[in-house]
Amino acid sequence: AQSVTQLDSHVSVSEGTPVLLRCNYSSSYSPSLFWYVQHPNKGLQLLLKYTSAATLVKGINGFEAEFKKSETSFHLTKPSAHMSDAAEYFCVVSFSGGYQKVTFGIGTKLQVIP
Amino acid sequence: GAGVSQTPSNKVTEKGKYVELRCDPISGHTALYWYRQSLGQGPEFLIYFQGTGAADDSGLPNDRFFAVRPEGSVSTLKIQRTERGDSAVYLCASSPGGGGLGNEQFFGPGTRLTVL
Repeated sequence: AQSVTQLDSHVSVSEGTPVLLRCNYSSSYSPSLFWYVQHPNKGLQLLLKYTSAATLVKGINGFEAEFKKSETSFHLTKPSAHMSDAAEYFCVVSFSGGYQKVTFGIGTKLQVIP
Repeated sequence: GAGVSQTPSNKVTEKGKYVELRCDPISGHTALYWYRQSLGQGPEFLIYFQGTGAADDSGLPNDRFFAVRPEGSVSTLKIQRTERGDSAVYLCASSPGGGGLGNEQFFGPGTRLTVL
């Protein structure tokens, strides 16, 4: 079975400071891992994905995430938060089975304080 | 190009009524997914189509829920005898190809269903 745990339901940072959103996963198979962002009243958008290539993955808008198998983690980071980063972020896992059935975390709401 | 579209954007209905939610995937995408997102939760998988057939419907909560994709493009999620607990945002996503490692799913804006 696969599962994903987002360790913080809410994260608050000041504009210009680093962002860290934590995610741990459990998967019986080699996982694919994704981070999606959901802005209010907008659809989910893919930020980045890991698919067993490079363990450090760079995404859009300056975000990146590092796959750490030993820690079963895939934390999302950004060096400097911008007001437009305020949104909900979802960590998602799928296993390399026959198709891409994904499991979402419960989400982390990021607040950016001016 | 056009993304995934869903209609209606909002649907208010009364308990016990029947509703249909529509999803138009990105042209050429063979995989289509339905999810349900309750308040404060992440999206939960409902059903996956590969072409016209439902390859995995293990996420449908009970037999009041049914989905079709008769021509391998547009899909309709049907809910019979709606209950207040069905209130949620229903998301549709499509993906090029039948899976494969790391295929991105493209999401629609969702349909907000409210059952009074």
